[in-house]
Amino acid sequence: DQQVKQNSPSLSVQEGRISILNCDYTNSMFDYFLWYKKYPAEGPTFLISISSIKDKNEDGRFTVFLNKSAKHLSLHIVPSQPGDSAVYFCAASASTGNQFYFGTGTSLTVIP
Amino acid sequence: GAGVSQSPRYKVAKRGQDVALRCDPISGHVSLFWYQQALGQGPEFLTYFQNEAQLDKSGLPSDRFFAERPEGSVSTLKIQRTQQEDSAVYLCASSFNAGDDGTDTQYFGPGTRLTVL
Repeated sequence: DQQVKQNSPSLSVQEGRISILNCDYTNSMFDYFLWYKKYPAEGPTFLISISSIKDKNEDGRFTVFLNKSAKHLSLHIVPSQPGDSAVYFCAASASTGNQFYFGTGTSLTVIP
Repeated sequence: GAGVSQSPRYKVAKRGQDVALRCDPISGHVSLFWYQQALGQGPEFLTYFQNEAQLDKSGLPSDRFFAERPEGSVSTLKIQRTQQEDSAVYLCASSFNAGDDGTDTQYFGPGTRLTVL
């Protein structure tokens, strides 16, 4: 049973516009959330995280929003750049455990 | 600085063969994790070490899978009598802290792509 879901397998965005990647989770025990970026033939690279005590965390062009009541988080990339083209994984964990639970990924293509 | 490294990067095995996959974590990282990533899926947890102690192996799919980290640094994931369904990318990750509260960032290696024929 998938506890973290990314329902959009792919997304295409024009360079300079905003990219919005979405993620939903089902386990109410999750209190820490991360986004990883993955290029082909490489391992996932940590991008940004957010704790459940916050509803927003920003790092440069990347912002993660958390809506706990909806069990939903999103990653905003603005402005999008061609180098952002990659697969983005959403992950969640509970402070009572040690595992990260990953979504199935969204492949982002930024068109120059 | 050196990140997490894994070897081999690619491994082809005949069904029934044993394989051993190696992970070198970031120096000084206490926690080490193994994940399995099937095609089109996200990484799925296999097992977790804190130093040399294997504290969680709940994700190992069968008793054909075995992992060790005898000196608290390098780890080996061994798969005995490989089956076609074992074909996947095996990812190793490490984190600096003990990792038992789920909030420490995990840094991933490039993975080993295992193909079982």
